[in-house]
Amino acid sequence: AQRVTQPEKLLSVFKGAPVELKCNYSYSGSPELFWYVQYSRQRLQLLLRHISRESIKGFTADLNKGETSFHLKKPFAQEEDSAMYYCALSKLTGGGNKLTFGTGTQLKVEL
Amino acid sequence: ETGVTQSPTHLIKTRGQQVTLRCSSQSGHNTVSWYQQALGQGPQFIFQYYREEENGRGNFPPRFSGLQFPNYSSELNVNALELDDSALYLCASSSRTSGAGETQYFGPGTRLLVL
Repeated sequence: AQRVTQPEKLLSVFKGAPVELKCNYSYSGSPELFWYVQYSRQRLQLLLRHISRESIKGFTADLNKGETSFHLKKPFAQEEDSAMYYCALSKLTGGGNKLTFGTGTQLKVEL
Repeated sequence: ETGVTQSPTHLIKTRGQQVTLRCSSQSGHNTVSWYQQALGQGPQFIFQYYREEENGRGNFPPRFSGLQFPNYSSELNVNALELDDSALYLCASSSRTSGAGETQYFGPGTRLLVL
C-alpha cells in the first residue's frame, strides 16, 4: 500500500532563510507526486506537481526515486509562505485515481 | 471559471442520524472525489465518482455512500453517524485522464460535528 510521510508537524524559520519541507513516500510503482498548500482560512490548493517541473512562488521539488523523497524547497522564505503544506501521492487504481496525503507540515515564517 | 463549491459549510448532528453533503464540481470537470480530514490529519480518500458511478473506494464502511448526477455534481451520504465521523469533508473535482497525474481541485469543505 502507498504511504506518504511528512516527519515534521511544525517547521519554524526566519524570513529570508532557506526552507525544506520533507516528504518521503512508499509506493510500488511510478508515483505521481504533488504538494498542496492551505493558507489560513483558504481551501486546499495545488502548489506544484513533479511532472510539471515548475517553480511556483519560488518553491521547487525534485523527485528522488532512490531515496523515495519529494522534498519541497525554497531558498528564501517569505512571511506569506506561512501555511500548512501537504505532500500527496497519486495512484491510478483499478477503479479510479486517488490521492494519498501525508499528515502535513505547518510552516511558520518569523520576522 | 467556477470553482468547486460545497454545502453546507457547517453541520451539527447527533449519533445515529444521517447526513447528506453536497458538492458542485468545477466547470469542465467530470470526476468528483471525496475526502475526510480529521483534526490534525491529512485528507483521507473516501471514494471517487466518474460518469455517475463509484470508481474507486478507500477504507470506509458501506454507511458512507455517494451519488454523482448528470451535471457532475455529487452527494456524500453518511448513515448511522458516529462520533468519529466528526471531521472536515472535502470534495475535489478533476478532469479524468488516462493516467494518475490529473490535478484535483478542492472545495472549501463541510465541517461536520457529531454529538
